[in-house]
Amino acid sequence: SQKIEQNSEALNIQEGKTATLTCNYTNYSPAYLQWYRQDPGRGPVFLLLIRENEKEKRKERLKVTFDTTLKQSLFHITASQPADSATYLCALESGNTGKLIFGQGTTLQVKP
Amino acid sequence: DTEVTQTPKHLVMGMTNKKSLKCEQHMGHRAMYWYKQKAKKPPELMFVYSYEKLSINESVPSRFSPECPNSSLLNLHLHALQPEDSALYLCASGVVEAGSNTGELFFGEGSRLTVL
Repeated sequence: SQKIEQNSEALNIQEGKTATLTCNYTNYSPAYLQWYRQDPGRGPVFLLLIRENEKEKRKERLKVTFDTTLKQSLFHITASQPADSATYLCALESGNTGKLIFGQGTTLQVKP
Repeated sequence: DTEVTQTPKHLVMGMTNKKSLKCEQHMGHRAMYWYKQKAKKPPELMFVYSYEKLSINESVPSRFSPECPNSSLLNLHLHALQPEDSALYLCASGVVEAGSNTGELFFGEGSRLTVL
């Protein structure tokens, strides 16, 4: 069966450290993978998209990697701040269907 | 600020009521989506409209009825809902080509629905 798994439901780190979140998928062959941030009671906000032919993508303090052999994406936040505390969702399109499917999310708590 | 506007932000309805959720975007996106999100769960896809035509219905019960009157508007009509339908309903829009989402989705802030 098809699965998208984010390995940790919750991640607690100290301010200034690098947070690393993991997204693994099974029985998908996505052309790209996306990461979103969601704050409580609000809609998800797009952060980064990485395509299957890209190994790494960066945006300010954010970095995403995509390994299609391992079927895994890693999402890094460097020099983390308490304002980075939120739930982070990975998402990919199922086939060529237009369906964007989300992982269950990892809730990051950055402590001052 | 989100460029996808959803109304109302909160809705409380009884099981016999009929109500509607509304969504509007002016980014020229031709794909619009309804997602349902329960507490501490990821968004679950309900419907996709592509070029104002329903392209995906994820086996959603008929008490939820979507409508796309034009390329900027998306409605979700609600009738005879159950308490377990209480959730955050999220609208999103995006670019679509050849039936495939080509990139990011822009989400609204959601409509928090409570069914009594």
